[in-house]
Amino acid sequence: DAGVIQSPRHEVTEMGQEVTLRCKPISGHNSLFWYRQTMMRGLELLIYFNNNVPIDDSGMPEDRFSAKMPNASFSTLKIQPSEPRDSAVYFCASISLGGTGELFFGEGSRLTVL
Amino acid sequence: GDSVTQMEGPVTLSEEAFLTINCTYTATGYPSLFWYVQYPGEGLQLLLKATKADDKGSNKGFEATYRKETTSFHLEKGSVQVSDSAVYFCALRYNQGGKLIFGQGTELSVKP
Repeated sequence: DAGVIQSPRHEVTEMGQEVTLRCKPISGHNSLFWYRQTMMRGLELLIYFNNNVPIDDSGMPEDRFSAKMPNASFSTLKIQPSEPRDSAVYFCASISLGGTGELFFGEGSRLTVL
Repeated sequence: GDSVTQMEGPVTLSEEAFLTINCTYTATGYPSLFWYVQYPGEGLQLLLKATKADDKGSNKGFEATYRKETTSFHLEKGSVQVSDSAVYFCALRYNQGGKLIFGQGTELSVKP
């Protein structure tokens, strides 16, 4: 079975550019999470969705960040405009609300903003 | 609010040494507790879990017991291997629809 699929795996961009990160959750999973990982701040929850509806976006740093989940098989995290402090690894994870409680992570998207 | 605190890393051990990584939590209710592991360049993956007090989770030689009285979920392994080198995250979660709250992670390095 395919796991959580994220793209791109690596992105290098310049300050001020728009960045879009994409995630395809595991088929049948109906809860999706976006995390950010940095050396300084560790693993931070940005936002999560249940059944495509945003439940908690209190971790989204500021208005430059937005996330959508238009359907059960796709989500995006957008940063506009990007800044060097946004450089991090962004992880998407999914879980089945009726399952064992194990969260399945993608391999991450490493973002570098110059 | 709810939180998870892990011991500071990095932890450096020799192969076959005994491992303990401390984890304590603060919670208003009775969450499930988890240990996740992250190998270099990869996402996190579940190592073990416990859903109620006194439960012991175990996997790949690792164990952790849910201790409500001390609000702890310490990770142990009797004999570590070089391949166990990774970052270990303790986490809690209330229900199937809730968010997973992670500790800051503890890096383990095992030397031959």
